[in-house]
Amino acid sequence: DTAVSQTPKYLVTQMGNDKSIKCEQNLGHDTMYWYKQDSKKFLKIMFSYNNKELIINETVPNRFSPKSPDKAHLNLHINSLELGDSAVYFCASSPDRVRRTFGSGTRLTVV
Amino acid sequence: KQEVTQIPAALSVPEGENLVLNCSFTDSAIYNLQWFRQDPGKGLTSLLLIQSSQREQTSGRLNASLDKSSGRSTLYIAASQPGDSATYLCAGYFGNEKLTFGTGTRLTIIP
Repeated sequence: DTAVSQTPKYLVTQMGNDKSIKCEQNLGHDTMYWYKQDSKKFLKIMFSYNNKELIINETVPNRFSPKSPDKAHLNLHINSLELGDSAVYFCASSPDRVRRTFGSGTRLTVV
Repeated sequence: KQEVTQIPAALSVPEGENLVLNCSFTDSAIYNLQWFRQDPGKGLTSLLLIQSSQREQTSGRLNASLDKSSGRSTLYIAASQPGDSATYLCAGYFGNEKLTFGTGTRLTIIP
């Protein structure tokens, strides 16, 4: 009964490829997020959706495009992958935009 | 700019000792502060949330305090156990739809 599930858990791909990471939550939360954790373990918000509507869009290259088909899903598509995109990407959801329930992360390695 | 800092980056403590993890923030207009635990290869697990109107919160062997005037929060762990080994992150919510995370303290409990 995973609350916030991300797939895949690991992703190794070559520069220039396009890839997607999927996230689903079964908690009934209205708000979902994507975070990026870099090699220094710094966790930074990328996007937030509330009921399929984009509410936070940080300074992220437009190669990154989130898509929320319904409030239980928030997928992240990345075009033209670069070496600097290598990181761990975390999905999270929230019932009140304050608390967070995190997924277990997707480790993306661009070679 | 709202910043959250955690020092030290790493801490090793013999089993059974009590310990304190530190978190500081630059904006005293904080709504709440949360402490998370991150295990290797896993997502973040919420430990404690302290509202700005509260001074501390307790859960089992964990006690978190919040001092808005000094811009500090501490996480106290009593009678440490090897299973407490993890990275502990604090995050401040400043009412801007985002959590601002510290870079974490990697705690190792030595058996």
